Amino acid sequence: QVRLVESGGGVVQPGRSLRLSCAASGFTFSSHGMHWVRQAPGKGLEWVAVIWYDGSNKYYADSVKGRFTISRDNSKNTLYLQMNSLRAEDTAVYFCGRWGDDKRIDYWGQGTLVTVSS
Amino acid sequence: VMTQTPLSSPVTLGQPASISCRSSQSLVHSDGSTYLSWLQQRPGQPPRLLIYKISNRFSGVPDRFSGSGAGTDFTLKISRVEAEDVGVYYCMQATQFPVTFGQGTKVEIK
Repeated sequence: QVRLVESGGGVVQPGRSLRLSCAASGFTFSSHGMHWVRQAPGKGLEWVAVIWYDGSNKYYADSVKGRFTISRDNSKNTLYLQMNSLRAEDTAVYFCGRWGDDKRIDYWGQGTLVTVSS
Repeated sequence: VMTQTPLSSPVTLGQPASISCRSSQSLVHSDGSTYLSWLQQRPGQPPRLLIYKISNRFSGVPDRFSGSGAGTDFTLKISRVEAEDVGVYYCMQATQFPVTFGQGTKVEIK
């Protein structure tokens, strides 16, 4: 079955960097685009970024553009999110999601919590 | 912008529930399809896909969930609410980037 497992979250000071990972299994990772979506404590869902199945295209939310970089390693079935210049407002649970047919995000990981605080 | 109403919906078990989602612009893609999904998030859980392309139930989703609508106005209906349906429901558009979500509608039992 499809499984997505995020890791790399933690507490980080403002201005510092963090890299999240999403390990995928149970499907052909190299055939699917992937998303990052975040959820601040007690808030709704906010889309962060998407990457094409082969890494050829990437799109970002305006709130993270220029600070975050999405990437993937299809040989390791792993998705990444490099987060630089972190701000307090980046505090959230970060979910990775598989981009399925018909532009749906059909499977989601359990999420990893990032807390930006001094 | 995706706007959901109501933001909270107290429902009696076995009764129907309906959630509306309105987009500030048409969600019809240049390929003719409308990429509007509905997601459920139970307490402490990640989101779960219920409905995609307005009205298609995802694998394993009970048939008491249905979606309808067109253009800018969409609706999720639960025909008979069960206890396991408690949670927050989001509409999501993927017709264009950025992907955007509604604010969420909390469904709770009266």
